[in-house]
Amino acid sequence: DAGITQSPRHKVTETGTPVTLRCHQTENHRYMYWYRQDPGHGLRLIHYSYGVKDTDKGEVSDGYSVSRSKTEDFLLTLESATSSQTSVYFCAISQLPGQGPQGTQYFGPGTRLTVL
Amino acid sequence: GQQLNQSPQSMFIQEGEDVSMNCTSSSIFNTWLWYKQDPGEGPVLLIALYKAGELTSNGRLTAQFGITRKDSFLNISASIPSDVGIYFCAGQTGANNLFFGTGTRLTVIP
Repeated sequence: DAGITQSPRHKVTETGTPVTLRCHQTENHRYMYWYRQDPGHGLRLIHYSYGVKDTDKGEVSDGYSVSRSKTEDFLLTLESATSSQTSVYFCAISQLPGQGPQGTQYFGPGTRLTVL
Repeated sequence: GQQLNQSPQSMFIQEGEDVSMNCTSSSIFNTWLWYKQDPGEGPVLLIALYKAGELTSNGRLTAQFGITRKDSFLNISASIPSDVGIYFCAGQTGANNLFFGTGTRLTVIP
């Protein structure tokens, strides 16, 4: 299994509060991703990072920001949480982007976030 | 985003039976991936397909990359109780564009 941990694993918060989720990897992979998983939608990409301090938006980036100050850590921040951001959040890593075995994405165990 | 149609949405089968599920898209993909997700866990990669027409096996699992590059199927032979879970297909078009199907929930009845 890829060495990916996410923290916290569960969080309940109130609307309007800031929330930060952490993804930590021990594989020294260059690429890291944040997805959200909702019923009927599968997994959708929020943001990704292609190196330290290098990030870009995904399909559903509104309301989220990310930061990557070290290779091993990728943080997802909800500046002001809303009920529509209640979801399960997954981090993923890959050595390289794109096709081929080194572009394959491996997933962490997820964080279940509830915004009341 | 890209729309992947995965079917069936759910399956109830007897232990020992074979299972087949598929994924179709209106768009072409360069890579097809199949993941399995257990409750409370992240998706785990089962099989990756990198070329159109490719047929790949991993134990009791077999998957194929459709020749049109718009579809893929996954077969599980001789199902066992630990096969229970949600199976996701995913198609990849470029560097960071990975799109997921909505999943097939498999229940295996002992």
